[in-house]
Amino acid sequence: KQEVTQIPAALSVPEGENLVLNCSFTDSAIYNLQWFRQDPGKGLTSLLLIQSSQREQTSGRLNASLDKSSGRSTLYIAASQPGDSATYLCAATSGTYKYIFGTGTRLKVLA
Amino acid sequence: GAVVSQHPSWVICKSGTSVKIECRSLDFQATTMFWYRQFPKQSLMLMATSNEGSKATYEQGVEKDKFLINHASLTLSTLTVTSAHPEDSSFYICSASDPVGVRTYEQYFGPGTRLTVT
Repeated sequence: KQEVTQIPAALSVPEGENLVLNCSFTDSAIYNLQWFRQDPGKGLTSLLLIQSSQREQTSGRLNASLDKSSGRSTLYIAASQPGDSATYLCAATSGTYKYIFGTGTRLKVLA
Repeated sequence: GAVVSQHPSWVICKSGTSVKIECRSLDFQATTMFWYRQFPKQSLMLMATSNEGSKATYEQGVEKDKFLINHASLTLSTLTVTSAHPEDSSFYICSASDPVGVRTYEQYFGPGTRLTVT
């Protein structure tokens, strides 16, 4: 059974810092690994999706990498801004096409 | 493209009543839709998977007689919470997958519905 965990659970950083969010999964047979952002009381905003054949994806200040063999994905945020404050969720898709979500990382970027 | 809507965005109902939440794929046909529940400060938990024209598949621990799911068309799935109780208060999010899209296994998420049972 796929299990997805995220470390750290919460993170507070000063504006401008580069930071890394971690996502671990137990079953390496995944189709996709996707990162989302969720603002309080809101739905999910898709940030990056990495297909199983890919190693990384980039969008603006965001870079996500995938290492299936070690069961890890990282989300790198460059030059963090207060507007980046949100909860970040990763989700792994396995054989039954289900998304298994991680526990989330609550990020606060201080001005 | 790949937009999913939910209605209503929030609803308050009295204990013992039923409430229906709609999930629509606006610009694509979705053979499969998913329903998730999210409690405060927790992650999303999959409740059920619905395929157009067939019965939904529920995750372990989810009462299928309480959470009725209908996926009667390729663009609409509904979740009905029957005999709602305060412990059913939660944020319900649906998603839909586009089987002919480039990224076949990708799900597109709706904005969520906040249910409060008083």
